[in-house]
Formats: sequence, C-alpha cells, structure tokens
Amino acid sequence: GAGVSQSPSNKVTEKGKDVELRCDPISGHTALYWYRQSLGQGLEFLIYFQGNSAPDKSGLPSDRFSAERTGGSVSTLTIQRTQQEDSAVYLCASSIDRGLDYGYTFGSGTRLTVV
Amino acid sequence: GDSVTQMEGPVTLSEEAFLTINCTYTATGYPSLFWYVQYPGEGLQLLLKATKADDKGSNKGFEATYRKETTSFHLEKGSVQVSDSAVYFCALSTGGFKTIFGAGTRLFVKA
Repeated sequence: GAGVSQSPSNKVTEKGKDVELRCDPISGHTALYWYRQSLGQGLEFLIYFQGNSAPDKSGLPSDRFSAERTGGSVSTLTIQRTQQEDSAVYLCASSIDRGLDYGYTFGSGTRLTVV
Repeated sequence: GDSVTQMEGPVTLSEEAFLTINCTYTATGYPSLFWYVQYPGEGLQLLLKATKADDKGSNKGFEATYRKETTSFHLEKGSVQVSDSAVYFCALSTGGFKTIFGAGTRLFVKA
C-alpha cells in the first residue's frame, strides 16, 4: 500500500481481556518494527521482524506480549490479559533497509486504553 | 549502548523566531542520524536525515548538520510557523535491529 496502515486506530478494553493490533506495512518493505509510546514518553522498542522472523524480541515487556508476521507482510501484536500499564499508543513502522539510509515509515498508531 | 539525548521541552516560541533543538548521541559504530516529527494525532514522519559526518540534512526549512567531533545533530529553523508546532524526535540507526529515539521535544509556536 501507499503507507503503513494500523488497525484499529483506537481500542478500549477491559483489564484482563486479550487484544490484537494489526499492522500492514508498505509493500516491499522487508523490515517491520513495533514501538510503544506512553503518554509524554519517548518511543520504547518492542520487536523487529526481518521477513517473517523476529531476530530481536528483547523489547517485549513481558510474556503477555507476542507478535507474528505472515507472508512477509501483515503483522499482529497480541497482548494477553491486558493490564492498565499497557495503555499506550502502539506504533508500527516499516523500512526497506533497516532504517540506515531511508529511515522508517510509521503508521498512525493504535491508541490502547485498558480500563 | 547506543543512545540519543535531546533537550527537554516544551519549547515555546513566537512565530518567526529562530529554533534550535539540541541533540547529542552515543554510538559505537558510524550511525545515520535522523529527525522525525509527530504532529498532533498523527504518527511520526521522517523530517530529515544525514548518513555521514559533515552531511547536512534539510527539509521544509529545517536543517541539521552531522557533527562527529561533538557527536551532535542539532535541529534548526530560521523562522518558525504556527504549523511547526509538534513533537520532534532525534534518532540514530546503525543498520542493526532498531533505531534509537530520543525522548522527544515538544514545540509550541504562538501566533
């Protein structure tokens, strides 16, 4: 597609429920990234995909968080048993070259609110 | 490890004022440096970049020069507009698994 698409744009969920966040990167971008942006904070790295594999999962905050990517395209970030501290904006980005020369293209994010 | 430090905000300026947002970095390799901008309610957008020492990145009147000797990449604009109000993020990439972002600096421009 023309840009990075994320859905839903907003999600309100009850504490303890599971949520799935979706990212559709730019066609041809082999690298895909998930970041989290909490209110007034910078960007916290979560996970990186090269193709369908995730060589770096070091940023996932807990084992309640998981992510997958299929067909070298769409990625899903799943949060199980959500907690209030999971409330944040979840940003997805893709890149053609791991960001060295061309940087990242970001989606508009999913604002997650856990009540 | 690699890191980026940028000046805390918010920065409040009047329209047509000169803008500087300081950014310094620590990296073991030879990083590429970036400024991203986040307008209210939107995702981050790449504003400008520099991939090697002494390069100057520029876009929309903004400039930043890659200074290896001072490990800095300060963002400047000669005359800001109300529409420049946003959060600005300095970032570095060594082509590894992730880009490292600074904490962001919020800019308010008053008419």
